[in-house]
Amino acid sequence: DTAVSQTPKYLVTQMGNDKSIKCEQNLGHDTMYWYKQDSKKFLKIMFSYNNKELIINETVPNRFSPKSPDKAHLNLHINSLELGDSAVYFCASSFTGELFFGEGSRLTVL
Amino acid sequence: AQRVTQPEKLLSVFKGAPVELKCNYSYSGSPELFWYVQYSRQRLQLLLRHISRESIKGFTADLNKGETSFHLKKPFAQEEDSAMYYCALSRRSGYNKLIFGAGTRLAVHP
Repeated sequence: DTAVSQTPKYLVTQMGNDKSIKCEQNLGHDTMYWYKQDSKKFLKIMFSYNNKELIINETVPNRFSPKSPDKAHLNLHINSLELGDSAVYFCASSFTGELFFGEGSRLTVL
Repeated sequence: AQRVTQPEKLLSVFKGAPVELKCNYSYSGSPELFWYVQYSRQRLQLLLRHISRESIKGFTADLNKGETSFHLKKPFAQEEDSAMYYCALSRRSGYNKLIFGAGTRLAVHP
């Protein structure tokens, strides 16, 4: 009974392709997030949704588009992938301040 | 601007030695401070938060508003404490945007 689950865990693709990462949480939280962890292990927030509504949108290229079909899901779609997009992407959800993270999705762009 | 600084990328100690992982922050309002930990091959998880004033796995952290610090301490390090530690900050109310420091890798040697 995983709380926050992401798929796929690993994704290897060519530059220019479009890919999606899916995230689901079964904790009943209203707020979900996408974070990016770069090669130096630095974690940076990308997006946050509260009850399907976008509330945080950091300085992220338009090629990244989050979609929240319902409050339990927050997917990340990336268009025209670039080498610099290679990273580990973490989904998270929260209710009272504590964030619960997924295991991460490692994206490698060749 | 909100910022979290962890000055040490790597902290290497021997088992039984005291540990202090440094964290300084800048924030104009009333922040809430957290420590998250990522053990090898595991997801990022909350270790402790300053409002709980708890000791988790022997770790404690005190918020020092005068020095704007939230250092993580443990009197006697164990090998199983080896992990990546992230200090994080968010505002007390409203939507939770968690800002992470760059992380400190703690390596505890036998």
